[in-house]
Amino acid sequence: GQQVMQIPQYQHVQEGEDFTTYCNSSTTLSNIQWYKQRPGGHPVFLIQLVKSGEVKKQKRLTFQFGEAKKNSSLHITATQTTDVGTYFCAGRDGGYNKLIFGAGTRLAVHP
Amino acid sequence: DAMVIQNPRYQVTQFGKPVTLSCSQTLNHNVMYWYQQKSSQAPKLLFHYYDKDFNNEADTPDNFQSRRPNTSFCFLDIRSPGLGDAAMYLCATSLGTGNYGYTFGSGTRLTVV
Repeated sequence: GQQVMQIPQYQHVQEGEDFTTYCNSSTTLSNIQWYKQRPGGHPVFLIQLVKSGEVKKQKRLTFQFGEAKKNSSLHITATQTTDVGTYFCAGRDGGYNKLIFGAGTRLAVHP
Repeated sequence: DAMVIQNPRYQVTQFGKPVTLSCSQTLNHNVMYWYQQKSSQAPKLLFHYYDKDFNNEADTPDNFQSRRPNTSFCFLDIRSPGLGDAAMYLCATSLGTGNYGYTFGSGTRLTVV
């Protein structure tokens, strides 16, 4: 079945350092979404990427969708303590009307 | 504000005692989902409704059932909770099953004693 793999599992950074999490799918995706879950909270939708090679930015966050639509990345520039949380990618296989979540990357930011 | 509301926020139930978790939405979204999330794991889809059309995941245990009496409400029934069912249960909605983001509720944390 469809699998979405996400690395790293954990990332500890000093405030001001950059952070990247990577997502890979075993199948070609129709779209990929990114969510942020704060400790003790629920996933919050950040963005959706649909087009091959698409790049979107939200302030310090940059999201990319691979040319083959099988991988994606989230890059945070100059992390802040407010960036703490778990970042999940979630891919939708064109043949299935559901999102499959990656295992998430837990980001810790040390002041 | 339009939102997805889950009640209760925390639920403690006894081993084997049926429990119902509820979810309501004011977004008028067509699709409602139930996810199970265990500590430090990804949310796992249990089932979803597209309007009244129920879609069960192949690996969702029979112990889990769901009802959607109307557009706004959806319930998760666990008929005989086991210790392994302790988890956060997340309700989510989306406008459709295509390129739409999900809106999650705050979740219900279930403890089985």
